Amino acid sequence: GEDVEQSLFLSVREGDSSVINCTYTDSSSTYLYWYKQEPGAGLQLLTYIFSNMDMKQDQRLTVLLNKKDKHLSLRIADTQTGDSAIYFCAEIPNRDDKIIFGKGTRLHILP
Amino acid sequence: DAGITQSPRHKVTETGTPVTLRCHQTENHRYMYWYRQDPGHGLRLIHYSYGVKDTDKGEVSDGYSVSRSKTEDFLLTLESATSSQTSVYFCAISESVGMGDNEQFFGPGTRLTVL
Repeated sequence: GEDVEQSLFLSVREGDSSVINCTYTDSSSTYLYWYKQEPGAGLQLLTYIFSNMDMKQDQRLTVLLNKKDKHLSLRIADTQTGDSAIYFCAEIPNRDDKIIFGKGTRLHILP
Repeated sequence: DAGITQSPRHKVTETGTPVTLRCHQTENHRYMYWYRQDPGHGLRLIHYSYGVKDTDKGEVSDGYSVSRSKTEDFLLTLESATSSQTSVYFCAISESVGMGDNEQFFGPGTRLTVL
């Protein structure tokens, strides 16, 4: 079935790198997404990766995709207090009309 | 920011009463979605619309109905609210699906409490 799994919590010291992991089930998903939700707000798209790519870098963000293992990760370099949020992994299975979201990983920044 | 608003932003109601939440967009996007967000469950799709009068069920549609009589408005109705429907409800819009940078834009959310 369609399911996106990610750990619920991650604590990282300010200045360190954060790595948030996600596994998905539909190997036919064309695009995979990372959304960010700040407290009291809706989700905002952070970045996405096309399924024929292994890596995508955008400033402090690096997305790695392992299609064989259906594993997606988001690395945030030099983590700042403003990165404290919930991060959602998401996929669109087989050009469906719906996006399937993971349960979200809450990133907590330690001083 | 995409032009998407939700009303009301907060509501407290009693079990058994009907409740309607409104999502309004000014982007003329084709797709509109209603999600609920609960601790431990993340974001779950309730219903979505792929055009005026065209709607379909999501994974948690029981107890909810929707209507879309015009492009800009998508209404979510709880015919008889129950305590299990206490949640934060998010509306989202998108122009299409399956394209990389065609993101879903989310509204600010409606916090609903059913006593």
